[in-house]
Amino acid sequence: NAGVTQTPKFQVLKTGQSMTLQCAQDMNHEYMSWYRQDPGMGLRLIHYSVGAGITDQGEVPNGYNVSRSTTEDFPLRLLSAAPSQTSVYFCASSTGRQKNTEAFFGQGTRLTVV
Amino acid sequence: AQRVTQPEKLLSVFKGAPVELKCNYSYSGSPELFWYVQYSRQRLQLLLRHISRESIKGFTADLNKGETSFHLKKPFAQEEDSAMYYCALGGSYDKVIFGPGTSLSVIP
Repeated sequence: NAGVTQTPKFQVLKTGQSMTLQCAQDMNHEYMSWYRQDPGMGLRLIHYSVGAGITDQGEVPNGYNVSRSTTEDFPLRLLSAAPSQTSVYFCASSTGRQKNTEAFFGQGTRLTVV
Repeated sequence: AQRVTQPEKLLSVFKGAPVELKCNYSYSGSPELFWYVQYSRQRLQLLLRHISRESIKGFTADLNKGETSFHLKKPFAQEEDSAMYYCALGGSYDKVIFGPGTSLSVIP
């Protein structure tokens, strides 16, 4: 079972460059989300989506864009990378029908902006 | 506003000793609480959720609405319990908020 797949696993960017972190799930989950993980700050919600065509901002959306054209895919775009965006990024999905449902996570993308 | 706090960034206990990882939350509605765990070099995974009232790998957690807490407990720590633990709050349909995490180290 693939579950939630993130690519790439590692990435180094120069300040000002743009890139897209890919996330795909094969569980037909409605709800998908992106988090960043920073030491001492835990997981912070960047953007989320409750279904295809619907996205919304989380706690720390600035500098990131998302779209949800299909149920399976939820890419995260960095428009102009900054050193403050150096972090580990996690994509997660869940059925979302009830608020007590389990979230399934990808393996993470470790991004360094120099 | 939804908020989750975990006061301990690091917690070290000896093997066989009891362990308690603290979690407090703020939410005006009816909360759903979870504990997620991240073992070294692995992805985050659900450990337990309060609605299930289950014990997973010897861990239990009780939701105390009066104290707005959801502490994770295990009577006898094992070395394989060393990991990063996150408390999470599912307060609404569309947002799951995580705490800052506690790194548990079990000393042999």
